[in-house]
Amino acid sequence: EAGVTQFPSHSVIEKGQTVTLRCDPISGHDNLYWYRRVMGKEIKFLLHFVKESKQDESGMPNNRFLAERTGGTYSTLKVQPAELEDSGVYFCASSQDRANYGYTFGSGTRLTVV
Amino acid sequence: RKEVEQDPGPFNVPEGATVAFNCTYSNSASQSFFWYRQDCRKEPKLLMSVYSSGNEDGRFTAQLNRASQYISLLIRDSKLSDSATYLCVVILGGNQFYFGTGTSLTVIP
Repeated sequence: EAGVTQFPSHSVIEKGQTVTLRCDPISGHDNLYWYRRVMGKEIKFLLHFVKESKQDESGMPNNRFLAERTGGTYSTLKVQPAELEDSGVYFCASSQDRANYGYTFGSGTRLTVV
Repeated sequence: RKEVEQDPGPFNVPEGATVAFNCTYSNSASQSFFWYRQDCRKEPKLLMSVYSSGNEDGRFTAQLNRASQYISLLIRDSKLSDSATYLCVVILGGNQFYFGTGTSLTVIP
């Protein structure tokens, strides 16, 4: 079974540019989550999709972040325009039954805004 | 106050030692608990769920103490390959889930 895949693995962009991160969850996992870890801080929730619907986007830091999951398969997270404080590692995770099985994480996208 | 608190360490222990990590949570309504392992510059990987009755997986034992609101992870007979950061995850309910900052473990030959 393929795991959760994320692309790109690294991205270095200038402040003000746009970056789009992609996540392909495990096939059949309706639940897809985006998380972020900034330097020295804990991993924090950004949002949760159930299939193509946003179940909870309370963790999105501001309106520069836009997540989509068209068709309920892969998801994209766009940051536009990027700011310096957006630098960090963006993880995607998917799950079947989170309460019992937890999440499976992707390897993350390391975003550096310069 | 943070929802989840972990001692960041680092814990440096010799091979074969037993080491324990604790993680406290602030909300008594928390429902599910997990330990994740994260290697340097890699993604977190599920190590084990934590059940009220306590559970064991080989050299790893996880326990939950609801009265005192903490979970623990015990590693026996530490191996070099156990060196990693260990994250506790607490799910409050719905989509309210919280990560600890992680505890760094280095097992020394």
